[in-house]
Amino acid sequence: DQQVKQNSPSLSVQEGRISILNCDYTNSMFDYFLWYKKYPAEGPTFLISISSIKDKNEDGRFTVFLNKSAKHLSLHIVPSQPGDSAVYFCAARDNNDMRFGAGTRLTVKP
Amino acid sequence: KAGVTQTPRYLIKTRGQQVTLSCSPISGHRSVSWYQQTPGQGLQFLFEYFSETQRNKGNFPGRFSGRQFSNSRSEMNVSTLELGDSALYLCASSIDSYNEQFFGPGTRLTVL
Repeated sequence: DQQVKQNSPSLSVQEGRISILNCDYTNSMFDYFLWYKKYPAEGPTFLISISSIKDKNEDGRFTVFLNKSAKHLSLHIVPSQPGDSAVYFCAARDNNDMRFGAGTRLTVKP
Repeated sequence: KAGVTQTPRYLIKTRGQQVTLSCSPISGHRSVSWYQQTPGQGLQFLFEYFSETQRNKGNFPGRFSGRQFSNSRSEMNVSTLELGDSALYLCASSIDSYNEQFFGPGTRLTVL
């Protein structure tokens, strides 16, 4: 069962514009959410996280928004840069488990 | 500070064999988690070890097991290998479960 879903397998944006990556989850017990970036042939790299007690967390160009009632989180990258081109995974965890979405491939065009 | 290291980087085995993968976490990190990545299933959580104890376990059969040593290094073992076990196995370390995880480069296992 897919408890964490990233419904867009790919996203293409122009350099300097905003990238918005979305993630939905079904398990209301998840209380911590993370975003990872992955380049080919490398392990995922942690980007940003958010606890369920917050609805927004910002770190430089990256902002994660959490809407608990909708069981939805999103990652905003602004301004997008060509080096941001990678696969982005959202992840959610509770006390027992950690689940990942299938990933969204972001391409930022110069 | 050295990152997470995994050995070996590549491995080829045949069905029915067993395999042991190794992960050395970042110094000071006590939590080590293992993940399987396949094109079809994406990233899936295998298990997490903290202070030599398995803290969490994902939905994988008992053929997948692990352990953690007193120096926080961890090993993952897969017995009776199946073709479907071919995947990239990633290890991640963190100070504790709810801190950011740092991933190693992975071990690519091919089962023939």
